[in-house]
Amino acid sequence: EVQLVQSGAEVKKPGESLKISCKDSGYGFTSYWIGWVRQMPGKGLEWMGIICPGDSDTRYSPSFQGQVTISADKSIGTAYLQWNSLRASDSAMYYCTKCGGGGICSDWGQGTLVTVSS
Amino acid sequence: QSALTQPRSVSGSPGQSVTISCTGTSSDVGGYEYVSWYQQHPGKAPKLLIFDVTKRPSGVPDRFSGSKSGNTASLTISGLQAEDEADYYCSSYAGSLYVFGTGTEVTVL
Repeated sequence: EVQLVQSGAEVKKPGESLKISCKDSGYGFTSYWIGWVRQMPGKGLEWMGIICPGDSDTRYSPSFQGQVTISADKSIGTAYLQWNSLRASDSAMYYCTKCGGGGICSDWGQGTLVTVSS
Repeated sequence: QSALTQPRSVSGSPGQSVTISCTGTSSDVGGYEYVSWYQQHPGKAPKLLIFDVTKRPSGVPDRFSGSKSGNTASLTISGLQAEDEADYYCSSYAGSLYVFGTGTEVTVL
């Protein structure tokens, strides 16, 4: 069954802000980690960062530190990925994933396609 | 954190075995028993195939197997089938976060 449901595709202009979401309809939202993964067109997977909604412990890949903000609202079982000022190079598919210890990421969202173009 | 190194592509005929390598360092692959493998078909989300180097989630066929030696992990697909044609990514714990491999395209001839 589908556990992680992501928000829909977005088309934005450079410089605009954006916040996409990932809702967990399963159990144990605060006991797992929610990670965000970027996949640029025709390219591989990249870990952006990960958050433990239970205590808000958040870790960013060096490439994404300062470029995005990961947050979570455990009251509604939802994690977020946010940009303050989008660039064309942010155009990509973004996946959220629910991970247990050791990076066991067995649940994935359907992906959110972000297109940034003037 | 640099991406782990995988071959760009591998291929095999149906029924054959193929092995995909994933080379990192002592700070990631070699330092922890936390290597996972993911399969991704075009336009689809990744699917977990292997975790903790060698373990398979329920529902994953036993023709997928994982191993590790030093700083290199490997995924072997035995008895290759048409539906195995996909992209494969390794992922390793790297101290505070995770790092993916560069990805390997598997072609079934």
